[in-house]
Amino acid sequence: GAGVSQSPSNKVTEKGKDVELRCDPISGHTALYWYRQSLGQGLEFLIYFQGNSAPDKSGLPSDRFSAERTGGSVSTLTIQRTQQEDSAVYLCASSSGRGYEQFFGPGTRLTVL
Amino acid sequence: SQQGEEDPQALSIQEGENATMNCSYKTSINNLQWYRQNSGRGLVHLILIRSNEREKHSGRLRVTLDTSKKSSSLLITASRAADTASYFCAPSNSGNTPLVFGKGTRLSVIA
Repeated sequence: GAGVSQSPSNKVTEKGKDVELRCDPISGHTALYWYRQSLGQGLEFLIYFQGNSAPDKSGLPSDRFSAERTGGSVSTLTIQRTQQEDSAVYLCASSSGRGYEQFFGPGTRLTVL
Repeated sequence: SQQGEEDPQALSIQEGENATMNCSYKTSINNLQWYRQNSGRGLVHLILIRSNEREKHSGRLRVTLDTSKKSSSLLITASRAADTASYFCAPSNSGNTPLVFGKGTRLSVIA
């Protein structure tokens, strides 16, 4: 079956603009995670959705970042008024709820000029 | 979940040699996973070892876990150029929680 998909693959934007990043998890996976990876750094957790529970937003770096998950499936990560330090690869992952393995998408490389 | 610390930060070997990378963590765990990342994109799950296991094999991969020392090692035997990637460990106490990754080990396998 299809894996986790993300779009766009690459996004270049100007400082101050808003961007939306999309994640399509594996069908039936109840848990969805957003991470980001800045150049040369490890992965940083951003936000986590589990079923119908309220999302864990503890990793969001500022109130310019928000995410939603519609219908328990597709998720959108929105960054408002982008800054240059937002430049990173944004990774989405999903898991089934019955195990520990997380399945990652290919990521969106965001460049803020 | 807690962060694992991978060591070394970088490793360069010749094709055919074995590569060993280590992971240390701080508090007790339920399981520990290893992931591979090629070219700064998505991670791929390699193997999971549970706290009651000491060693696990998958193809050319061998993972060990020493809970008394709070450490794990990943051994890749007979390495290939295609094994060139960054490798991350992810210790965890429970499922369906965000993983915490360190900076990983960057492995370069030279043909």
